Formats: sequence, structure tokens, C-alpha cells
Amino acid sequence: EPEVTQTPSHQVTQMGQEVILRCVPISNHLYFYWYRQILGQKVEFLVSFYNNEISEKSEIFDDQFSVERPDGSNFTLKIRSTKLEDSAMYFCASSGGKPQHFGDGTRLSIL
Amino acid sequence: TQLLEQSPQFLSIQEGENLTVYCNSSSVFSSLQWYRQEPGEGPVLLVTVVTGGEVKKLKRLTFQFGDARKDSSLHITAAQPGDTGLYLCAGIGRAGDNTDKLIFGTGTRLQVFP
Repeated sequence: EPEVTQTPSHQVTQMGQEVILRCVPISNHLYFYWYRQILGQKVEFLVSFYNNEISEKSEIFDDQFSVERPDGSNFTLKIRSTKLEDSAMYFCASSGGKPQHFGDGTRLSIL
Repeated sequence: TQLLEQSPQFLSIQEGENLTVYCNSSSVFSSLQWYRQEPGEGPVLLVTVVTGGEVKKLKRLTFQFGDARKDSSLHITAAQPGDTGLYLCAGIGRAGDNTDKLIFGTGTRLQVFP
């Protein structure tokens, strides 16, 4: 069964550094999403992306965050200058309509 | 305040017992989903309920969507250790929102002991 793949599985970064989280969605899907889950808290929506543009973003998704689909297969989340509170599991999801299929996440640890 | 409140937050039971997990909201959703998440993995969809009052069964799991589409329950019959995991409800299409984002509940961590 096709699946969403995310790399790396774990990313450790110094505070203030830029980080790029990568996702390869399911190949015929058109809708893409990023969610995050801070340890011990619920999964929160960050952003949705369709037709090469952001369709919706949450309050969490501020100017430090950006998304891109550079080559038609990868879907990336960039955090420009990481903060301690960015430490979380980041999940990518894709959809061909409904439902959303999730990757196994990237654990981002900010030191 | 949480948009989707799940209860209980934690549940530890013996193999063979029955259990019910609740997902409650003050908002109406066009549909509601239940996911199971295991450590180190992403949420995996179990079921989607769409119609108020709808009941869906998945082997020993029974899902119900409230008549008003504000709440849902997950009932597991004769729980097994393999049912251990984090169960998440997620609402789609809150009334007034033209959106497909998932709004996740607070989660219920289930541990089933052999």
C-alpha cells in the first residue's frame, strides 16, 4: 500500500538554526498538510497546501515557517530560525480528496 | 478550552474487558474520524463517521457519531494487548469553517494487560 514517507526520522538542531523537514506524499495525491505534536499534547494543524499554494494556515504557522513543493514530489516544511518551543513531532499528510494519510513523523529536537 | 475533549485521558485494563472512549465537543462537525497512533508512528485512520447517529463496526471496535454530530464514542469489546495505543478523534469541517483541516482531540492512551 502506498505510504507517506518523511525524512529524517529525528533531527537535532541548535536554537536559531534553520531546519528543513522533508516529506514524499503518496504519488497521485493533490492535497498536502503539516501537523505537529508537542510531547504530551494533542496533534495540531499547521498548514494545508494545494495547487502549489497555501490554502490554510494556523496561528502557529508564523513568518518563521514556510512550505514548498520544489520538484513535484517532495513537500518540505522549513523553519527559518528555530526556537526551543519548536521541539515536537512533525507529521506530513497527503490526500487525494479524503481521507488524509499520515507519515511516521520527524522528531525535531531543538537544543 | 479544548475543541474536542476525549475521556478518559488514560485507561489501563485487563485483556478481555470492554471499554468505551468518548470524544465530545460543543461544535458541530460535518464528519469525525478515529485514529490509532503507536509510538514512533503517525496516526492511522480507523474509521470516518459522517451521518448523525451513524454506527460503524470494525471487528471488535464499534464507533458511533452523536445525533447532533458534536460527539462520538469508540467501544472496544474484549480488549486485547494488541489494542494498546493512543486513540485520537479528529473532527473535519466544523460548522462555519470551509476547511478540510483535521481538529484533533486530546487523545486517550489505552493500555491492555495480558
